[in-house]
Amino acid sequence: NAGVTQTPKFRVLKTGQSMTLLCAQDMNHEYMYWYRQDPGMGLRLIHYSVGEGTTAKGEVPDGYNVSRLKKQNFLLGLESAAPSQTSVYFCASSYGGVYYNEQFFGPGTRLTVL
Amino acid sequence: GENVEQHPSTLSVQEGDSAVIKCTYSDSASNYFPWYKQELGKGPQLIIDIRSNVGEKKDQRIAVTLNKTAKHFSLHITETQPEDSAVYFCAASNHNQGGKLIFGQGTELSVKP
Repeated sequence: NAGVTQTPKFRVLKTGQSMTLLCAQDMNHEYMYWYRQDPGMGLRLIHYSVGEGTTAKGEVPDGYNVSRLKKQNFLLGLESAAPSQTSVYFCASSYGGVYYNEQFFGPGTRLTVL
Repeated sequence: GENVEQHPSTLSVQEGDSAVIKCTYSDSASNYFPWYKQELGKGPQLIIDIRSNVGEKKDQRIAVTLNKTAKHFSLHITETQPEDSAVYFCAASNHNQGGKLIFGQGTELSVKP
């Protein structure tokens, strides 16, 4: 099993450009999450999904959109990138429910917005 | 909403010594408290977790304690080794709210040989 994979690994954008980050998991997990990691601030939840076709806002959702059209994929979109969105983005997934809380993380996408 | 504070931000110990990292949380409804280890250039990986109905949990050299009354929990690493050097994150979650984790700011642990 590949676990959680993220595409691309690195990307440089200019202010105002758009892009989509792809997260895929092969563990048949119900729940999926997008976090951003900035120095000294830990990981902050952007959006999450508790099942195919569902999405919900996290702590810092502004400027991002997400879609979960297939159970195994969770897409994060930036419609008009800003320098404040320069960060490392992590996707995670979990089985969900009361007793299966462990989140498995992908390797991250490093995004720079100039 | 939930807020998690983590201390210290950096910690340096000699190989063989113990390391302790502390976290406090604000939401009394939180009931799941995991600890993640992040090595350079990689995603975080779960090392131990504890639920609100347990006060302490141990796994070899790693232990976590939880004080629900004071709303704080701690990670204890004994007999530290150079490979324990990494960034450690605590987190809090309420499994009734989609399992979303609220993370602390992280502790960079350095174990000197």
